[in-house]
Amino acid sequence: AQRVTQPEKLLSVFKGAPVELKCNYSYSGSPELFWYVQYSRQRLQLLLRHISRESIKGFTADLNKGETSFHLKKPFAQEEDSAMYYCALYVSGGYNKLIFGAGTRLAVHP
Amino acid sequence: EAGVAQSPRYKIIEKRQSVAFWCNPISGHATLYWYQQILGQGPKLLIQFQNNGVVDDSQLPKDRFSAERLKGVDSTLKIQPAKLEDSAVYLCASSLDLYYGYTFGSGTRLTVV
Repeated sequence: AQRVTQPEKLLSVFKGAPVELKCNYSYSGSPELFWYVQYSRQRLQLLLRHISRESIKGFTADLNKGETSFHLKKPFAQEEDSAMYYCALYVSGGYNKLIFGAGTRLAVHP
Repeated sequence: EAGVAQSPRYKIIEKRQSVAFWCNPISGHATLYWYQQILGQGPKLLIQFQNNGVVDDSQLPKDRFSAERLKGVDSTLKIQPAKLEDSAVYLCASSLDLYYGYTFGSGTRLTVV
């Protein structure tokens, strides 16, 4: 079965602390994963995608096929990082679509 | 480029009433998606269009939900009759090439009382 699991509903850290938002997936095909972010009162938007191997706003994510994980990391959290973060799995074959996890709320305190 | 437009932003209806949501995707995006996001959960795909044809509606409760995409551009999602459990944010998204992700609209927050 295709599934994305984000085990933490809330992650609370202080400004300047490292952040790791966990994402695990279940998929029989070759995985392609994304992180989406939703800031307060804004629409859901793409943060980064695995295929690009990019760093956006200081965030990075590495695909670990052995652990079926795609954790989002940032070495020093900023208050403006406070938002909802969703991990998404690209499912191909017939009807291509994204499957989303339940999301993790990141709260960065001053 | 202009974003994905959705209306209305908010809607409150009584159970058993009907409601419709509208979406205008980014120009040139052939694929359009409707997602339902219940409070505390991630978005769940309801229906997917490729141009004006439905390619996946396996998660759409067809006894009460319907959707269409006229001329392969705008789309409407309808609920008739609504139930309390339909209270959610309904998100529309479009993509040119899903490999690079979706662009989402701002969503319609539906409250059924």
